Amino acid sequence: SQKIEQNSEALNIQEGKTATLTCNYTNYSPAYLQWYRQDPGRGPVFLLLIRENEKEKRKERLKVTFDTTLKQSLFHITASQPADSATYLCALGDSSASKIIFGSGTRLSIRP
Amino acid sequence: DAGVTQSPTHLIKTRGQQVTLRCSPKSGHDTVSWYQQALGQGPQFIFQYYEEEERQRGNFPDRFSGHQFPNYSSELNVNALLLGDSALYLCASSPQWLDTEAFFGQGTRLTVV
Repeated sequence: SQKIEQNSEALNIQEGKTATLTCNYTNYSPAYLQWYRQDPGRGPVFLLLIRENEKEKRKERLKVTFDTTLKQSLFHITASQPADSATYLCALGDSSASKIIFGSGTRLSIRP
Repeated sequence: DAGVTQSPTHLIKTRGQQVTLRCSPKSGHDTVSWYQQALGQGPQFIFQYYEEEERQRGNFPDRFSGHQFPNYSSELNVNALLLGDSALYLCASSPQWLDTEAFFGQGTRLTVV
């Protein structure tokens, strides 16, 4: 069955460092991959989308890579700030996707 | 633009009861998806509505049903509630084309006792 795995453990990073989150998937051929941020008790907020034919996407301090051979995406936050502390969700969709499949998320904590 | 709005924000129901959750999509969005998110888990796809029809469905029993109205708003109905139905229910809206971002509401926290 389709499976998405994200860092199961919470990630604790010193402010100013680069945070790197991993998303691995199996039994799936996504047409695109998305990253969302979710704060406690709130709905997810879209951050970035990267398509299967793209290797890398950037937006301000965020960078996403997508390796369809390794079936992996890396999500980087450079110059991390305490305000970046949240749960980050990886989500996959295929070319006919009416639905998006989410990973369980990685909780990121940035300490001052 | 109010974005995606859901009501109610919190709800407590008893096992066996029925519940209806409501969602108003972001202005200009015609597609509405519903997700169930258990504590510590990612959102699980329930179903999606477009043009008042259920377009795709996840692995949820028939106790979960929905509806979309001509103004694109949507309802999620759950019958015969179980304790395991306790979760955050999220509504997401998007335009018709598929591979764009989804805009989520703040969710409805359902507790079944």
